[in-house]
Amino acid sequence: AQKITQTQPGMFVQEKEAVTLDCTYDTSDPSYGLFWYKQPSSGEMIFLIYQGSYDQQNATEGRYSLNFQKARKSANLVISASQLGDSAMYFCAMREASTDSWGKLQFGAGTQVVVTP
Amino acid sequence: DGGITQSPKYLFRKEGQNVTLSCEQNLNHDAMYWYRQDPGQGLRLIYYSQIVNDFQKGDIAEGYSVSREKKESFPLTVTSAQKNPTAFYLCASSIPPGGYGYTFGSGTRLTVV
Repeated sequence: AQKITQTQPGMFVQEKEAVTLDCTYDTSDPSYGLFWYKQPSSGEMIFLIYQGSYDQQNATEGRYSLNFQKARKSANLVISASQLGDSAMYFCAMREASTDSWGKLQFGAGTQVVVTP
Repeated sequence: DGGITQSPKYLFRKEGQNVTLSCEQNLNHDAMYWYRQDPGQGLRLIYYSQIVNDFQKGDIAEGYSVSREKKESFPLTVTSAQKNPTAFYLCASSIPPGGYGYTFGSGTRLTVV
């Protein structure tokens, strides 16, 4: 079963606008971590932001913030003031703490973001 | 600077040949991972290793093999048994579970010709 679901295959956003990328997840593990990565066309994976399941506050890193709604199992990424350099593929990922899932990151299918002038 | 080096960046393979993708890290990370990415899709786990001389199958291990003889190195062999090997391959490493410090290499793009 798919553990990470990203329902937006692609989206366009105008420069300087904010954009929200959706991510829902499925786990019965009480301890887990949620990640967002950016993948430009060069292929490298760039870490953006992390949210632990026990964190009380939503994570923020510069222009990136994570809207964590635990009861809804939702971890949406918000990019404020989009820039042309934000054009890339964005992946949501989860790490569960159970022994069987040791350290493994599970990824969603990704959302392609194109920022237009 | 610490990081992960994957080589080569591009690799072409004839059908029926085995090829080995290199992954080296100088981060002193215990855990290492291999992921496969197909166009427009997310990453799928092939193999992972928690410690030297130990490794486990991921979700799509068929047609692949790995070794972990040194902490720094985790090479991936794509064997002739892998029916559709054309893909982008990413290596990653991490500190032990509980942290969030995953580091990725820059990837190897494998094409079967």
